[in-house]
Amino acid sequence: EVQLEQSGAEVKKPGDSLKISCKGSGYTFASYWIGWVRRMPGKGLEWMGIIYPGDSDTRYSPSIQGLVTISADKSINTAYLQWSSLKASDAAMYYCARLLRSGSYDAFDIWGQGTLVIVSS
Amino acid sequence: DIQMTQSPSSLSASVGDRVTITCQASQDISKYLNWYQQKPGKVPKLLIYYASNLQTGVSSRFSGSGSGTDFSFTISSLQPEDVATYYCQHYDNLLITFGQGTRLEIK
Repeated sequence: EVQLEQSGAEVKKPGDSLKISCKGSGYTFASYWIGWVRRMPGKGLEWMGIIYPGDSDTRYSPSIQGLVTISADKSINTAYLQWSSLKASDAAMYYCARLLRSGSYDAFDIWGQGTLVIVSS
Repeated sequence: DIQMTQSPSSLSASVGDRVTITCQASQDISKYLNWYQQKPGKVPKLLIYYASNLQTGVSSRFSGSGSGTDFSFTISSLQPEDVATYYCQHYDNLLITFGQGTRLEIK
């Protein structure tokens, strides 16, 4: 079964660092782009960025660039999203998702279960 | 940057109703548009890709149409299990943009 398994919920303080993970199984992890999408409380889905684990080629949303770091370790089929210094406004549910690419379409076909990040002093 | 404007932001309809959500792009995006459903407390699910193609295993009650700047998503006969937020999503060379979402409720 193709699936993405995300790390568990996190409770952090402003200024803390954090790295959450997304582990793929049931397919060739290195051959599919993995995206990160967040949903802040009361808001809609927001695309943050995407990485190709095969060569770690990474693209960021212009609004997110510089605020987070996306990385991957293809040897353990895992992608990461990390912050060096969390803000209260980073509190959200974070999803990873596999990007299915064809000649004419790209779509997130498999999603992780989500990682809830709470940031509170 | 291409902006995606989704409407309405919320919608209440009766079981059996035909429901339509629209998504407008700020410039021509061909058919590079997908639709997702996110039920309360659940993970987003791909319903429609490349504007009008039904994802495998998705009910044929759902359909999509459009090209260029104007797109629509339709539920032919609303069911209680369709309560969710629906999002359009544009993609262009690995730059991805979601619409603001449409929250659908049962009247």
